[in-house]
Amino acid sequence: QKEVEQDPGPLSVPEGAIVSLNCTYSNSAFQYFMWYRQYSRKGPELLMYTYSSGNKEDGRFTAQVDKSSKYISLFIRDSQPSDSATYLCAISSGSARQLTFGSGTQLTVLP
Amino acid sequence: DTAVSQTPKYLVTQMGNDKSIKCEQNLGHDTMYWYKQDSKKFLKIMFSYNNKELIINETVPNRFSPKSPDKAHLNLHINSLELGDSAVYFCASSQVKDGEAFFGQGTRLTVV
Repeated sequence: QKEVEQDPGPLSVPEGAIVSLNCTYSNSAFQYFMWYRQYSRKGPELLMYTYSSGNKEDGRFTAQVDKSSKYISLFIRDSQPSDSATYLCAISSGSARQLTFGSGTQLTVLP
Repeated sequence: DTAVSQTPKYLVTQMGNDKSIKCEQNLGHDTMYWYKQDSKKFLKIMFSYNNKELIINETVPNRFSPKSPDKAHLNLHINSLELGDSAVYFCASSQVKDGEAFFGQGTRLTVV
């Protein structure tokens, strides 16, 4: 079993839709949870960072963590074509805070 | 002003050659990393350096050798390149007490 499993997609939605991206993880010792966005041929860009259960909101993005279920989600409201990218969940652990990534979900928002 | 910069951006080379990738960060972070992204876009940690000291060395062939001359630089040297080394290599940095990692733009390595 992989340490971090991500709903693979790909996902295609119309502009303005609410998008839900999801990951589960296996190690209850994981403490820090992130979402990255990666455009084609670019580096991952940090979108959201949280370390506690509950919701964290930043503009149109909401990160949700449920440590009891080992489940993390990213919601995108009012999705835009510019949101089209691959979204990667990542969990930070260890003394070096190295990241363990999900496999990514490719999102396309259609105008 | 780029926070984490890597050079070169593209690298095409023949099997058996030796090549290096350089990374620099201007964020004042104490920890730097190398990640590898394979053809299926899966990202995996290779190495981590904290204050110039190697603290993570995942199961990576010893043909790969990282070097950190100072806190702001982390280079990756690869000997005797193989076809399977073709991938995108990302450098990242973080302040380990915060954990938020910032990535460079990647080096797309193609071994022919």
